Amino acid sequence: QKEVEQDPGPLSVPEGAIVSLNCTYSNSAFQYFMWYRQYSRKGPELLMYTYSSGNKEDGRFTAQVDKSSKYISLFIRDSQPSDSATYLCAIQGAQKLVFGQGTRLTINP
Amino acid sequence: DSGVTQTPKHLITATGQRVTLRCSPRSGDLSVYWYQQSLDQGLQFLIQYYNGEERAKGNILERFSAQQFPDLHSELNLSSLELGDSALYFCASSVTTGFSEAFFGQGTRLTVV
Repeated sequence: QKEVEQDPGPLSVPEGAIVSLNCTYSNSAFQYFMWYRQYSRKGPELLMYTYSSGNKEDGRFTAQVDKSSKYISLFIRDSQPSDSATYLCAIQGAQKLVFGQGTRLTINP
Repeated sequence: DSGVTQTPKHLITATGQRVTLRCSPRSGDLSVYWYQQSLDQGLQFLIQYYNGEERAKGNILERFSAQQFPDLHSELNLSSLELGDSALYFCASSVTTGFSEAFFGQGTRLTVV
C-alpha cells in the first residue's frame, strides 16, 4: 500500500468552477500536510501547508485535513485557466516529504 | 525562481553510462533532497543530506549515489544507466531537517537511449 494515494485524473472543469482535489494517507503519525503545484516542465512549488486537522484558507484556495479518516483536500474556488497544472499532495514524514501521484487539472475558458 | 539551481537542465546519454547531476541549494539552506519523477511513479524520494551528512534514504538504487559537499552543493551520481532511469530528477532544499518549506529546483531531464 502506498503511503499517500491521489487520483491522477486528469480533471477538466470550466472556468469559475469549484475544484476539489483529494488524497488519502496511511500513516497516522504524519502531522504536516502540504499541497504543491507543478506547471509543465517546472519544479513543484508549495501552495499551502497545514498542521494536524482543520482548515486553512489562502485566497481562493482552502486546504482541509481530517486526521480521523486520514484524508486531505484542496479546494479551489472561482477556478481560472492559470490554475491549470498538476497538483500534488505531500505529507511530512520522518526526514522526507512523501508525495501523492499528482492530479492533472485543466481549467477551460 | 526558487533559488535552487540544478545543472544540467537536459541530459541525453546511452545505456551503461554514468552521469552526475548537480544541485546548488538556496542560500542558507542546509538540507538537500533528491527526488525522481517519472510518469508512472510520480515523485519518489531518493535521498536527503543535511549539512554534509546523509540523513534519510528512500527508494534509491544501489547504482545511484549522492553526496553533499562542504559548500553545501550536492551531486547525484547515476551509473550503469538503464532505459528505465529516464526521468526528471529534482533537487529540493530547506533550512532544517524537520518541517520547513522545501523549495524545488527546475529539475534535470535525463533521457537514456
